Amino acid sequence: DGGITQSPKYLFRKEGQNVTLSCEQNLNHDAMYWYRQDPGQGLRLIYYSQIVNDFQKGDIAEGYSVSREKKESFPLTVTSAQKNPTAFYLCASSAPTRTSDRGTDTQYFGPGTRLTVL
Amino acid sequence: AQKVTQAQTEISVVEKEDVTLDCVYETRDTTYYLFWYKQPPSGELVFLIRRNSFDEQNEISGRYSWNFQKSTSSFNFTITASQVVDSAVYFCALSYGYGNKLVFGAGTILRVKS
Repeated sequence: DGGITQSPKYLFRKEGQNVTLSCEQNLNHDAMYWYRQDPGQGLRLIYYSQIVNDFQKGDIAEGYSVSREKKESFPLTVTSAQKNPTAFYLCASSAPTRTSDRGTDTQYFGPGTRLTVL
Repeated sequence: AQKVTQAQTEISVVEKEDVTLDCVYETRDTTYYLFWYKQPPSGELVFLIRRNSFDEQNEISGRYSWNFQKSTSSFNFTITASQVVDSAVYFCALSYGYGNKLVFGAGTILRVKS
């Protein structure tokens, strides 16, 4: 079945450690996104990538890094520089973007990873 | 700047009642898209609907209906004859700019009691 997978579902990290969250999709989508959700709040964009080997910062990129070496994969690293990393992280993807028609493609989300810093 | 406001933090209804979730947005773009997502307790966001700024027709899908009014910058969502399975957090979102980015409202928690 086509879809987006995120692993692990739950992740615990000690302060000062980097940790990498996995996001894989087999929908043949070009664009991928990472969002962060804090309790009682909406989602906020961390990073996004429209094509392989290219990505841009979102609204809250500080303390995070990403790579996009393959179309199917968009891992997110939460570094020790992220001051408050405990949150729910959601990955999304969308179909090829038509540059002449912005914002047309629906983003589909993975099941999320809940990160807790101990 | 783009902004989405969901003023209702939490709504509780009894099963079979109708319920409307409000969404008000701000954007300077003339072309934009609006979305509704459902987040059940499992956490995954489930896509419900996408609407473009040129199409103000109301849409109905089973017990769900959406009312888009550009004049008031609103995109409200109504669930008719609510069911316990409708209990979830519902998010309204607006797409903007290069990259099809989404800005989300804070969400509305819907509790449907039997």
